[in-house]
Amino acid sequence: EPEVTQTPSHQVTQMGQEVILRCVPISNHLYFYWYRQILGQKVEFLVSFYNNEISEKSEIFDDQFSVERPDGSNFTLKIRSTKLEDSAMYFCASSWARGTGELFFGEGSRLTVL
Amino acid sequence: SQQGEEDPQALSIQEGENATMNCSYKTSINNLQWYRQNSGRGLVHLILIRSNEREKHSGRLRVTLDTSKKSSSLLITASRAADTASYFCATEIYSGAGSYQLTFGKGTKLSVIP
Repeated sequence: EPEVTQTPSHQVTQMGQEVILRCVPISNHLYFYWYRQILGQKVEFLVSFYNNEISEKSEIFDDQFSVERPDGSNFTLKIRSTKLEDSAMYFCASSWARGTGELFFGEGSRLTVL
Repeated sequence: SQQGEEDPQALSIQEGENATMNCSYKTSINNLQWYRQNSGRGLVHLILIRSNEREKHSGRLRVTLDTSKKSSSLLITASRAADTASYFCATEIYSGAGSYQLTFGKGTKLSVIP
C-alpha cells in the first residue's frame, strides 16, 4: 500500500540552526501539507501546497518557514532559524483531491530544539 | 474557541464495551473526518462524513453528524485493547477561492483495558 514517508524520524538541533524536514508524498497525489503537533497538544495546520505553490498557510507559518518541491517526489519543510518553541512532531500529508477526501499522513519527524 | 473540540478528553473502558467520542465545531463545514493516532505515530484516517450525510458506518465504527447542532460522534463498538489510541475529529471548511482547510481538534485519548 502506498504511503507517505518522512525523514529524519528524529532530529536534534541547536537554537538558531536551520532544519530541513523531508517528505515523499504518495506518487499520484496532487496536494501536500505540513502539520505539527507539540507534545500532548492538538495537530496544527501549517501549510498546504498545490501546483508548485502555497495554497494556504496558517499564522504559525511565518517567514522562518518555507516549503519546496525540489523534484517530482520530495516535499520539504525548512525552518530557517529554529526556536525552542519549534520543538514538535512535524507531519507531512498528501491527498489526491481537496474538499472530498482523506489526507494520508506520514509517521512524522520529531524535532527537538535545544 | 476551537473549530473542532472533542469530548471527553480521555476515556477508559473495558474491552468489549462501546466507546463514544463527541466532536463539536463552530463554522459550517464541507466534511468532517475522524483520525486515529497511536502513541508517537502518524494519523490514520478512519472515516469521512459529508455535510449532507447524517450517519456512516465502517466496520465497528459508526459516525453521526448533526449539522444543526454542529456536532459529530464516533462510536466504536465491541472495543478491543488494540483500539487504544487518540482519536481526532477534523473539520474541512471551504476558505474561498477553491481553498479548503482541514482543522483538527485536541483529541480524545481512549484506553481500552483488557
